[in-house]
Amino acid sequence: DTGVSQDPRHKITKRGQNVTFRCDPISEHNRLYWYRQTLGQGPEFLTYFQNEAQLEKSRLLSDRFSAERPKGSFSTLEIQRTEQGDSAMYLCASSSPGIQGGNIQYFGAGTRLSVL
Amino acid sequence: AQKITQTQPGMFVQEKEAVTLDCTYDTSDQSYGLFWYKQPSSGEMIFLIYQGSYDEQNATEGRYSLNFQKARKSANLVISASQLGDSAMYFCAMREGGTSYGKLTFGQGTILTVHP
Repeated sequence: DTGVSQDPRHKITKRGQNVTFRCDPISEHNRLYWYRQTLGQGPEFLTYFQNEAQLEKSRLLSDRFSAERPKGSFSTLEIQRTEQGDSAMYLCASSSPGIQGGNIQYFGAGTRLSVL
Repeated sequence: AQKITQTQPGMFVQEKEAVTLDCTYDTSDQSYGLFWYKQPSSGEMIFLIYQGSYDEQNATEGRYSLNFQKARKSANLVISASQLGDSAMYFCAMREGGTSYGKLTFGQGTILTVHP
């Protein structure tokens, strides 16, 4: 069983460019989460999907951010008109009810974004 | 107010000794979950241990145990017989509310260094 996969692992972009990240959850997991982690901080919640439905969005998710999970499998996170403040690690996690007490979220290795 | 507080920015331990990483939390919910994750320098968040608010026994997973003191709102992680590979950042996290799918709120983390 493969874990959560994120692509790319690293992305360097110029300010103002658009970027898109992909997350492939653990295959039987129907819940998918995006978090952002800046240097020296803990991850902060961005958004959450159950199957293809986006059920919660943080106020951190400005209008420049959009996340999709079109068929309830992989998800994409797009940032338009990137700013230097978007530089961070973007983490994806997935979970499934009932498989383990506590509905454990399993994380991918993250995509590190650097905006120049 | 911080929902998760980790007061130890850094901790040092000798190999084979035990170490306790502190975590206090703040919630008015009766049902909640507490989690510990390990983040090595590679960036991936690795799930270690979970404690539900209604669990009467402290959670244990191998060398990891969670010292849950509900009245004090603390959920300290105890690592026994430390190994060099335990050197990493450790995050305490909480999921509030009675649902099992909610977002996690993370603390600032504690960097653990294991000396040979």
